[in-house]
Formats: sequence, C-alpha cells, structure tokens
Amino acid sequence: GQNIDQPTEMTATEGAIVQINCTYQTSGFNGLFWYQQHAGEAPTFLSYNVLDGLEEKGRFSSFLSRSKGYSYLLLKELQMKDSASYLCAVMDSNYQLIWGAGTKLIIKP
Amino acid sequence: DTAVSQTPKYLVTQMGNDKSIKCEQNLGHDTMYWYKQDSKKFLKIMFSYNNKELIINETVPNRFSPKSPDKAHLNLHINSLELGDSAVYFCASSQEGTSRVTDTQYFGPGTRLTVL
Repeated sequence: GQNIDQPTEMTATEGAIVQINCTYQTSGFNGLFWYQQHAGEAPTFLSYNVLDGLEEKGRFSSFLSRSKGYSYLLLKELQMKDSASYLCAVMDSNYQLIWGAGTKLIIKP
Repeated sequence: DTAVSQTPKYLVTQMGNDKSIKCEQNLGHDTMYWYKQDSKKFLKIMFSYNNKELIINETVPNRFSPKSPDKAHLNLHINSLELGDSAVYFCASSQEGTSRVTDTQYFGPGTRLTVL
C-alpha cells in the first residue's frame, strides 16, 4: 500500500529552527509537495521537490532523498504565524497526490 | 480576484437531505478536484475532472455526484446525507493534472459540512 508518515505534532520556540520529517512509500514517484494549512483554512503550496537535494525559499527549505524515501521541511526564524499544520504529499506513478495526515506545529513565545 | 472559490463556506443540514457545494476557479486551469478532509485531517481525493471529463473517481458512495458544466466549475451534489459525511470538503485546481504531468494544486477555502 501507499503510505506517507509524518509526526503528528511538534512544538518549537519563536525565533528558533524546526525540521519536520516525512517518509514515504508509494507506487512510483513524480515529486513531493509541502503544503501549509492554518486551522480552518485551505492548504497552501509551499514547495516542490523532484530531484535530490535542498530547495531554499526564504525562511523555508525543503530537502529530498529519493533513495531513502525521505523529505524534510526546515523552517528558520520561526514566527508565531508559522503555527499551522504542514502536509507532505507525494505524486505517485499515476500522477495522483498521496497525502500525509499533516504535522501540527505549535510555536511558543 | 479569488483564484479558487467555493460556496457555501459552512453548511449545516439534517440527515437524509440533499445538498450541493459549488466550486469555481478563475486560473484557467484544466483540472479540478474534490477532496474530503475528515477530523483526522487526512485529505482524501474524491473526484478529478479534466476539461469536464471525469479522470479520477475514488471509492466514494454513489450518493456523491460531481458535475462539471465547464472547465472552470466543478460542483458536488450529495444525496441522502449521512452523519459520516460531516467533514470539510475542499475543491482544488491544477494547470493540467493529466497523466505524465506534475503540477501544483491550488485549493479553495473549503466547505465545512455538518450533518445533524
């Protein structure tokens, strides 16, 4: 079966750095997405990785290792507004998105 | 200038009723989707339409029927609502979304359906 695993919840301090991990087992791989979802709102696109390595976009970076079936989202200089759920999703061989359950990130002052 | 819009945002109804949720995108995208997000926060694909043609139809009860009058609209009609249908329903769209293309999906604000 297809599976995306990410921690259910993480807590971090304002101004700090946090890394949210995602491991996947899917039938084929056509890219990995990270989305941010604030409570009661729609998921919004953060990043896309299809090749191994690190993609940096401002305070957010996303890393992919296809051989390990592993990705992480790195958030630097955390702000209170970063409190949200972070969803990992993999596009499989049928170009269908398989979603993880999301990691709820709580930022404390 | 909303990209993907859904109506209504909140929907409260009784078991057994029939209801519809509307979705429109003004991004010029070819593909639209319906997702269900339950209390455990998993996003589950329900349907996908590409240029008004059904391309993904996951195992959902046939009480759920999508309708795409044109490629900018994908509505979801639900018959005989059940308690288990309570969830947030998200519409999304992507540029192409057909096989052999990876592209980003953009989500509407969601419709919170509560069945009493």
